[in-house]
Amino acid sequence: EPEVTQTPSHQVTQMGQEVILRCVPISNHLYFYWYRQILGQKVEFLVSFYNNEISEKSEIFDDQFSVERPDGSNFTLKIRSTKLEDSAMYFCASSEAPIPDYGYTFGSGTRLTVV
Amino acid sequence: SQKIEQNSEALNIQEGKTATLTCNYTNYSPAYLQWYRQDPGRGPVFLLLIRENEKEKRKERLKVTFDTTLKQSLFHITASQPADSATYLCAPYGGAGGSYIPTFGRGTSLIVHP
Repeated sequence: EPEVTQTPSHQVTQMGQEVILRCVPISNHLYFYWYRQILGQKVEFLVSFYNNEISEKSEIFDDQFSVERPDGSNFTLKIRSTKLEDSAMYFCASSEAPIPDYGYTFGSGTRLTVV
Repeated sequence: SQKIEQNSEALNIQEGKTATLTCNYTNYSPAYLQWYRQDPGRGPVFLLLIRENEKEKRKERLKVTFDTTLKQSLFHITASQPADSATYLCAPYGGAGGSYIPTFGRGTSLIVHP
């Protein structure tokens, strides 16, 4: 069964450093998303991406964050100047349509720890 | 502002019984509602999508209802098994004035005892 692949599975970074989280969405999907989940809290939407541009973003997704699809397969989330409160699980998801009958397919996540 | 409420207390049931989980939402009228399963340290896994014009949807042992008057969705697992133990998330979205990005509730933890 096709899956969304995220790397690395765990990233530890110093406060103030930049990190890039990587995702390979399902190949025939056109819509891509980043969500995050702080430990013990709910899954929160960050950004959606379609046709090489951001289609929607939440209040969390400020100037510190950026997304990119550098080639035909990868989808990345960059966090500039990380803060302690950026520590969370970051999930990438993809879908074939904006309102997909089969929902979003999520990756297993990258656990980001900012120290 | 839009609010999604799922029972924060874990639901403990015996194997073979039916589990019923509740999702209430306020201050908006979503046109769609998804249910996901999440295991510890893993990403959500899609289970079912129900539309506002569908009262009920079934998939194997799962059943979802969507009551737009009560602003509530119920998620049922019949003949529950210990392997069904997980956190279940509801995600309403769409509708007039609403975003078409699913917004997740905090989830309800289900524990099925053998």
